[in-house]
Amino acid sequence: NAGVTQTPKFRILKIGQSMTLQCAQDMNHNYMYWYRQDPGMGLKLIYYSVGAGITDKGEVPNGYNVSRSTTEDFPLRLELAAPSQTSVYFCASSRGRGATNEKLFFGSGTQLSVL
Amino acid sequence: SQKIEQNSEALNIQEGKTATLTCNYTNYSPAYLQWYRQDPGRGPVFLLLIRENEKEKRKERLKVTFDTTLKQSLFHITASQPADSATYLCALVELSSNTGKLIFGQGTTLQVKP
Repeated sequence: NAGVTQTPKFRILKIGQSMTLQCAQDMNHNYMYWYRQDPGMGLKLIYYSVGAGITDKGEVPNGYNVSRSTTEDFPLRLELAAPSQTSVYFCASSRGRGATNEKLFFGSGTQLSVL
Repeated sequence: SQKIEQNSEALNIQEGKTATLTCNYTNYSPAYLQWYRQDPGRGPVFLLLIRENEKEKRKERLKVTFDTTLKQSLFHITASQPADSATYLCALVELSSNTGKLIFGQGTTLQVKP
């Protein structure tokens, strides 16, 4: 099993450009998440999904969109990139509810710079 | 306001000593706490989970305690090794949460010197 796979690993965007960060998991997990991590800060939840076709906002959703058409994939879309979106983005998945099920499996991250 | 806080200053210890990392929370009622390890350039990796009705959990050289009165969790690494050097994150899920969303602290960096 590959676990959680994120692409690309690095990306530089110009202000106003758009892009999609890809995330796929092969563990048949129902729950998937997108976090951003800024230096010296904790992980902030952007969006999450509890199953195909169901998504909801997290703590910092502005400037982002998501979709979940399959169990495996959970892409994150950045529209009109801004310097404030420079960060490291992590995708994660979990089996579902309950203490043991809610441990997260993370991808290796995407380092995004908006210049 | 709600906060989950870890020591922002790096912890430097000598190999073989016990490292103790602190996670404090304010205005949360956690159902449980989780601890993760994060190496530079990598995603966090799950280490341990402790429920609100548990006082202590162990796994090999790792020990986690949970004190709901002090609103604090302590994470211990005994007989520390240079390979334990990493950033350690605590995270909690609230009792009232219907989605199980994890709320993370900012992490503490541990440096174990040989």
